[in-house]
Amino acid sequence: DSGVTQTPKHLITATGQRVTLRCSPRSGDLSVYWYQQSLDQGLQFLIQYYNGEERAKGNILERFSAQQFPDLHSELNLSSLELGDSALYFCASSVDGGNEQFFGPGTRLTVL
Amino acid sequence: QKEVEQDPGPLSVPEGAIVSLNCTYSNSAFQYFMWYRQYSRKGPELLMYTYSSGNKEDGRFTAQVDKSSKYISLFIRDSQPSDSATYLCATLASGTYKYIFGTGTRLKVLA
Repeated sequence: DSGVTQTPKHLITATGQRVTLRCSPRSGDLSVYWYQQSLDQGLQFLIQYYNGEERAKGNILERFSAQQFPDLHSELNLSSLELGDSALYFCASSVDGGNEQFFGPGTRLTVL
Repeated sequence: QKEVEQDPGPLSVPEGAIVSLNCTYSNSAFQYFMWYRQYSRKGPELLMYTYSSGNKEDGRFTAQVDKSSKYISLFIRDSQPSDSATYLCATLASGTYKYIFGTGTRLKVLA
């Protein structure tokens, strides 16, 4: 158990809908990262937050957004969902950016 | 060309074998190198974390970085069926926060 928690474990929704994924980092970690993992693309970095502020952006679509709250938990919002958004979404945390990351168990999103 | 290349496998070995997993990368600015193990439908688990060139050993695992050839390796000694998983390499350039992952190599250790 890495100490990073993610909810929900599974999410099934329809195209065009909006969902919110939640992540709680390990105790003491200030940095949160979001990743998307699909079979054909591997693990893709989406976005990173450090102590409430956005610090780095990867291949995140405009339909996706994220935030980190004062208690350091983070949410990833996915809107106007498409079939291709079906994937595993992982959250990871670290003490600071540039250090070892610890991954949560992931949220499996299925868009029908 | 991807910034980090990794053979997807699958790689099948008998129990007790020495396993060699490899990645190549293209950006000479990468300074930090990591290996993760991912079991099916689970989150990646950090195995090794190294900075710059050289070797690092932890139990049955050895990570090796050769910056001159932009080549990183993970060796697993006395492999066990429980080592069967996908192994992901990852890199990070100093002063940045964007981790780049390989696509993973699937390893099967046969009892």
